[in-house]
Amino acid sequence: SFVLTQPPSVSVAPGKTARITCGGNNIGSKSVHWYQQRPGQAPLVVIYYDSDRPSGIPERFSGSNSGNTATLTISRVEAGDEADYYCQVWDSSSDHRMFGGGTKLTVL
Amino acid sequence: QVQLVQSGAEVKTPGSSVKVSCKASGGSFSRYAINWVRQAPGQGLEWMGGINPIFGKGIHAQRFQGRVTITADYFTGTAYMELSSLRSEDTAVYYCAKETVGAGAAPYFDHWGQGTLVTVSS
Repeated sequence: SFVLTQPPSVSVAPGKTARITCGGNNIGSKSVHWYQQRPGQAPLVVIYYDSDRPSGIPERFSGSNSGNTATLTISRVEAGDEADYYCQVWDSSSDHRMFGGGTKLTVL
Repeated sequence: QVQLVQSGAEVKTPGSSVKVSCKASGGSFSRYAINWVRQAPGQGLEWMGGINPIFGKGIHAQRFQGRVTITADYFTGTAYMELSSLRSEDTAVYYCAKETVGAGAAPYFDHWGQGTLVTVSS
């Protein structure tokens, strides 16, 4: 099955840019979705189809996907962005959905 | 606006089964797929499976083969996930999530239930 690899943790100072990666074999050929999960809450989609933002998600959140790496970029990071972030793809051959292991974003 | 409301927390003994419900309001329940995702304590998200009304059948991750049954009652707008032969490793928060497929064709989850804690302990 398709494996998605995320770094366990990323740290960034307030006001700086955070980049969270999601690696997978030729992941650029798939659509990647990103979820934010704050402690004790259900996940929330922040980016879908690589780079689309749902209404209500700040423009500071953006995404890209190419080659073997998809990236979630959070600009001008705020304390409220501290959360776990997960990438997710759909494997069309099996019709299965899968998540990366998640990345804990810490705002210093 | 779609809202998903799940049943309450459960405590189960090893070897037993649990059935979690997910009632939808808003939108047209018969037109969208419901998936189930679980999260063990301190761990990441794990997709379990889902049901699509268009195809009328459920699918599930291979690791739950033979243990999970996902169904939907389109009259009441409620989806169910039943997990059998429970073991301590099944202790987790179980989420239902509505799936959306846009122009990109790959599904993602745009609405989530509040989660149901299932504790398996002797």
